[in-house]
Amino acid sequence: EDQVTQSPEALRLQEGESSSLNCSYTVSGLRGLFWYRQDPGKGPEFLFTLYSAGEEKEKERLKATLTKKESFLHITAPKPEDSATYLCAVRNSGGYQKVTFGTGTKLQVIP
Amino acid sequence: GAVVSQHPSRVICKSGTSVKIECRSLDFQATTMFWYRQFPKQSLMLMATSNEGSKATYEQGVEKDKFLINHASLTLSTLTVTSAHPEDSSFYICSATEGGAYEQYFGPGTRLTVT
Repeated sequence: EDQVTQSPEALRLQEGESSSLNCSYTVSGLRGLFWYRQDPGKGPEFLFTLYSAGEEKEKERLKATLTKKESFLHITAPKPEDSATYLCAVRNSGGYQKVTFGTGTKLQVIP
Repeated sequence: GAVVSQHPSRVICKSGTSVKIECRSLDFQATTMFWYRQFPKQSLMLMATSNEGSKATYEQGVEKDKFLINHASLTLSTLTVTSAHPEDSSFYICSATEGGAYEQYFGPGTRLTVT
């Protein structure tokens, strides 16, 4: 069974203080690792898809990286508007389209 | 692009009644739609997967007769919670994928409260 573990559960940063969120996974044949941002009371917003180890993607202050066992979401010089819960998910190589989500990291950026 | 809407955003119903939630892909054709449930401070729990024109595939433990899913067109899926009870109160979120793409795009969610 696919598993996704995210750490830390919660992270509090000062504005401008860079950090990384971790997503460790076990999956039978990775077909995609996804990062989402979720604000309270809203649906997740798609950020990135990573497909193979060594791949990196960037969007504004966010950069996602992937190894064979984990993914990191690096946040550079965060701003208060980056406060949200960040979710990681994986899809395996089976024909079934199910995606397994982690429980998320709740990020709070303090001005 | 890749916008998914849900209606209603909030609904309050009495125990024993049924509630229908709509999920629409606004700017793409959604070959597959997913329905999730999310409890406070927990992650997304997949309830079912539906392909246009086919019966939905339900996850283990999800009652098919209680959570009726219809995916009648490439832009619309509906979830009907039948004979709702207070324990069905939750945040329901749909998502959709386009063609063979793997990324799921999520709707804004529906907060259901059963009194």
